Amino acid sequence: DTAVSQTPKYLVTQMGNDKSIKCEQNLGHDTMYWYKQDSKKFLKIMFSYNNKELIINETVPNRFSPKSPDKAHLNLHINSLELGDSAVYFCASSQDSRGEQYFGPGTRLTVT
Amino acid sequence: QKEVEQNSGPLSVPEGAIASLNCTYSDRGSQSFFWYRQYSGKSPELIMSIYSNGDKEDGRFTAQLNKASQYVSLLIRDSQPSDSATYLCAVIEISSGSARQLTFGSGTQLTVLP
Repeated sequence: DTAVSQTPKYLVTQMGNDKSIKCEQNLGHDTMYWYKQDSKKFLKIMFSYNNKELIINETVPNRFSPKSPDKAHLNLHINSLELGDSAVYFCASSQDSRGEQYFGPGTRLTVT
Repeated sequence: QKEVEQNSGPLSVPEGAIASLNCTYSDRGSQSFFWYRQYSGKSPELIMSIYSNGDKEDGRFTAQLNKASQYVSLLIRDSQPSDSATYLCAVIEISSGSARQLTFGSGTQLTVLP
């Protein structure tokens, strides 16, 4: 029943590890996004995919690699995790790039 | 640099009062404007969208847009303690690669006092 879902909800890992976050939407939307919300609660776009094609890639370290196997899924893989990667990562989706975006519950990543 | 600016607050209003939240944006080409509510530890929840100048009302919420002044606001009538949250203004802007992206303000923390 959940519109945009993410797994895992919490992720605690050590520096240097590689981890993935998964996102799925059942709204039939064409566009999906990854956002990062830092400790100051500022929400910033990282990536945007439209129908499995990357359309926005903001200034993000190349340790972050999004992958969209189909238009309902957008995963985020992070290599060589650093302390500064600790944040909440939100997935979102919208019908198109101009429309209302709906957010998933977030993944709280803590790097120790 | 394209920006969306909000007063960070905190803004406190008594229960039953009108809460007024304001936002300005820098990109004159922006055409889509949104207000999200975010409770502590939760994800942003869309509460209003507005695309043309004027007012748009939905229950106790009214969004106001003035493109000439590059200003968008949210009024919450009959404020309730359950309205206490951070309110995020968001604007669809054209990014450097001509793609549209949603740019968020830093949020205004609202507290409604019983």
